[in-house]
Amino acid sequence: DVVMTQTPLSLSVTPGQPASISCKSSQSLLYSDGKTYLYWYLQKPGQSPQLLIYEVSNRFSGVPDRFSGSGSGTDFTLRISRVEAEDVGVYYCMQSIQLPVTFGGGTKVEIK
Amino acid sequence: QVHLVESGGGVVQPGRSLRLSCAASGFTFSNYAMHWVRQAPGQGLEWMAVISSNKYYADSVKGRFSISRDNSKNTVYMQMNSLRAEDTAVYYCAREGPRYFEYWGRGTLVTVSS
Repeated sequence: DVVMTQTPLSLSVTPGQPASISCKSSQSLLYSDGKTYLYWYLQKPGQSPQLLIYEVSNRFSGVPDRFSGSGSGTDFTLRISRVEAEDVGVYYCMQSIQLPVTFGGGTKVEIK
Repeated sequence: QVHLVESGGGVVQPGRSLRLSCAASGFTFSNYAMHWVRQAPGQGLEWMAVISSNKYYADSVKGRFSISRDNSKNTVYMQMNSLRAEDTAVYYCAREGPRYFEYWGRGTLVTVSS
């Protein structure tokens, strides 16, 4: 199975400040079709997860442009340029290059 | 718009069975693979199974859980047998495609306890 490792476990951020979350996979997520199957989800308190970023760097519909994803191969990063109060929750990276789909352990983001 | 609504959760004794349902609407159900993902209390997300033309399972549930679908009813099911305390979780269904897990249901809570 592909192991997804996220750091840090938690972040406390002042509103308006940036935040960054790292995700590393145990094997490359680059598929033969040229796409890299790395996704980011946010689970707000009491809600279902919601898709933020697909295929490393593509913002899903309606996701604010303060969210950005980058990386390649096995190393990936989610950045929030200016954290807002509505960004609190747990962020998960996920790979779908092979089954079983696997998630990182999650990064809890809270506001200072 | 796309809606996924899970049902069938509840409290069940260890060793017993439960069947979860996920009713879909707002899209052509038969065109999409459907997944089940669970989340134990206070824990992260764990993928369980997928059904398209084939079925695949996580090792943790293989042989005990069975995924199926009825395209005429726009519903995907998860039959859960031999339930254990560690199966206690919120169970979500999610649609695959065009991006993975664009859409999730709100989940249904399964509690395995004597």
